[in-house]
Amino acid sequence: DTAVSQTPKYLVTQMGNDKSIKCEQNLGHDTMYWYKQDSKKFLKIMFSYNNKELIINETVPNRFSPKSPDKAHLNLHINSLELGDSAVYFCASSPRGTGSYEQYFGPGTRLTVT
Amino acid sequence: GQNIDQPTEMTATEGAIVQINCTYQTSGFNGLFWYQQHAGEAPTFLSYNVLDGLEEKGRFSSFLSRSKGYSYLLLKELQMKDSASYLCAVNDYKLSFGAGTTVTVRA
Repeated sequence: DTAVSQTPKYLVTQMGNDKSIKCEQNLGHDTMYWYKQDSKKFLKIMFSYNNKELIINETVPNRFSPKSPDKAHLNLHINSLELGDSAVYFCASSPRGTGSYEQYFGPGTRLTVT
Repeated sequence: GQNIDQPTEMTATEGAIVQINCTYQTSGFNGLFWYQQHAGEAPTFLSYNVLDGLEEKGRFSSFLSRSKGYSYLLLKELQMKDSASYLCAVNDYKLSFGAGTTVTVRA
C-alpha cells in the first residue's frame, strides 16, 4: 500500500492556466506538507497543515492556495501559472508538526509550464 | 535566516567510505536530519540527530556537534545503489534543507 500518494505524477500546461495537485496519506499522520524542488534540486517548504489547520505558510505567491479537506488529504491549487513555477512538487506527512518527526514523502509531481 | 552548506558532489569507489559534511547557521535548532534521494524519486529518511555525538545505523552513521554547527553523514562499504543525493535538513519546527550532495559510486 502506498503511504503518501500524489496525482498527477506529471503535469504539462501553458502559462496562465490554473491547475491542481492532490495528495493523500494513509499513515494516520496529523501533519502534511507541500515542498517545491527546483531545477537545482533545492527542496523548500511551502505550506504545512496540522489536522486541517494551516501552521506554516512560507513566502509563496498568493497564486498558490493549499486546501486540506481532512487530515488525510492536502491539495495544492495554482492560479495563473508562470514559467518559474516549473519544478517538482512533493507532498509529505509526519505524525506531528513540530519538525521532530521523520517525514514521509510522496513520489512528487513534475510540473512543466510552457 | 537559514544557511546550510554541503558539498555539491562527491565521487567514491565501491567498497570505500565517504563522509558528507554539513555546516549550518540557523535562527533556531531542534535537531538535524539526513535524507537520501535517488534521481527522480522522493527523499527518504536516513537519520535524525538531536544531541551531540554519533548515531550508527548499519552502514550509515551520522554525527552532530551543536556547538560547531556541524554534522556529517558517513557511508561505509559503499554500494552502487548508494549513488544518490544526500540532503542535510535542520529542524527549526520546520525543515530547512541544504542543496544536497550528489554521491557517485564507481565500480
